[in-house]
Amino acid sequence: EVQLVESGGGLVTPGGSLRLSCAASGFTFSSYNMHWVRQAPGKGLEWVSSISTTSSYVSYTHSVKGRFTISRDNAKNSVYLQIDSLRAEDTSVYYCARDPPGYYYFDYWGQGTLVTVSS
Amino acid sequence: DIQMTQSPSSLSASVGDRVTITCRASQTISTYLNWYQQKPGKAPKLLIYAASSLQSGVPSRFSGSGSGTDFTLTISSLRPEDFASYYCQQSYSIPNTFGQGTKLEI
Repeated sequence: EVQLVESGGGLVTPGGSLRLSCAASGFTFSSYNMHWVRQAPGKGLEWVSSISTTSSYVSYTHSVKGRFTISRDNAKNSVYLQIDSLRAEDTSVYYCARDPPGYYYFDYWGQGTLVTVSS
Repeated sequence: DIQMTQSPSSLSASVGDRVTITCRASQTISTYLNWYQQKPGKAPKLLIYAASSLQSGVPSRFSGSGSGTDFTLTISSLRPEDFASYYCQQSYSIPNTFGQGTKLEI
């Protein structure tokens, strides 16, 4: 069974940092591009970042460039999102999602982890 | 960035109704268009990919069409479990943008 389990969310003050993790199981993790998508409370979905299978290609949405860093460890079947210089507008549920090779959609998502930025 | 505009933003319907949600891209995206369903407190679920391909396990009452800039998601006969929010997403270019969502209510 495919599973994606996020962790690492919590309450952080503005300017602080967190490292989100997404543990994958039930599939060949190293064969899939991985993504982070977020959703602010009561709002829609926003794509945040992606990383290719070998970490050769990473991408970010404009609002997080220079503050967020995506990485992965294929030996640990995990993808990470280091989020620095947090702002109130980063408050969201953060989901990881997988992207099947050769396709361009997200077929499995984790349950999400909530990041709250507040003083 | 490619902007995705969904309409309507909300929709009231009844069980058994046929409903259509539209999604328009600000530039051509071929058929790089996906549809997701999301229920409160849950992760999104893939319904349709590549504009018209039904994801495995998704009921056949869901269908998608379109190419270029204009796309539709149709639910042929609403069931109680279909009342949820729906999002389109373009995967033609980075950033992969989503529409603002359509909330389907009873």
